[in-house]
Amino acid sequence: NAGVMQNPRHLVRRRGQEARLRCSPMKGHSHVYWYRQLPEEGLKFMVYLQKENIIDESGMPKERFSAEFPKEGPSILRIQQVVRGDSAAYFCASSPPSSGHSGYTFGSGTRLTVV
Amino acid sequence: SQQGEEDPQALSIQEGENATMNCSYKTSINNLQWYRQNSGRGLVHLILIRSNEREKHSGRLRVTLDTSKKSSSLLITASRAADTASYFCATGYSGGSNYKLTFGKGTLLTVNP
Repeated sequence: NAGVMQNPRHLVRRRGQEARLRCSPMKGHSHVYWYRQLPEEGLKFMVYLQKENIIDESGMPKERFSAEFPKEGPSILRIQQVVRGDSAAYFCASSPPSSGHSGYTFGSGTRLTVV
Repeated sequence: SQQGEEDPQALSIQEGENATMNCSYKTSINNLQWYRQNSGRGLVHLILIRSNEREKHSGRLRVTLDTSKKSSSLLITASRAADTASYFCATGYSGGSNYKLTFGKGTLLTVNP
């Protein structure tokens, strides 16, 4: 069981470019959550997805950010026209359908640097 | 805001000593979780305590929860250099969106060999 896999680990983008962050949940997990961590801060909830459904995107900025979790393949967090303030670590977590809760499994994150 | 707040912000101890970190929150919760994050890495789930529990143990970890004071503590006994990391508490809401965790800013623990 490989755990939650995120790639890339590090991503550098120039202002105005697009960033695509990928997350493959643990085997058997169909719920995915994206969190953002700014320097010296705790994680902030962004979005909760199930396969082909966005359940809660209340933490997503209104513009430029989107997320999807297709029937096949990883979940994608997409940031269009990146700005310096988007520089952060983006973490993905997954959980099984019957959430008890027993705690999330987080990936190692993607560190986005906008230059 | 239901943000958890840990204190102290930073804690430095010698190997073998105990480390205690505290967390306070503001509203009703379903559960409270503690996570560890090594520098530049992802979060590792340590322990979850439900709102109807008062104390929980896991190896060298002991967590307490006082819902009347809206606070929790994490005790690491007989600390090791490998325990050096940031520790975060995260609260799960009671109510419909209990999947949404609210994290504090963390306590940076340094265990000196």
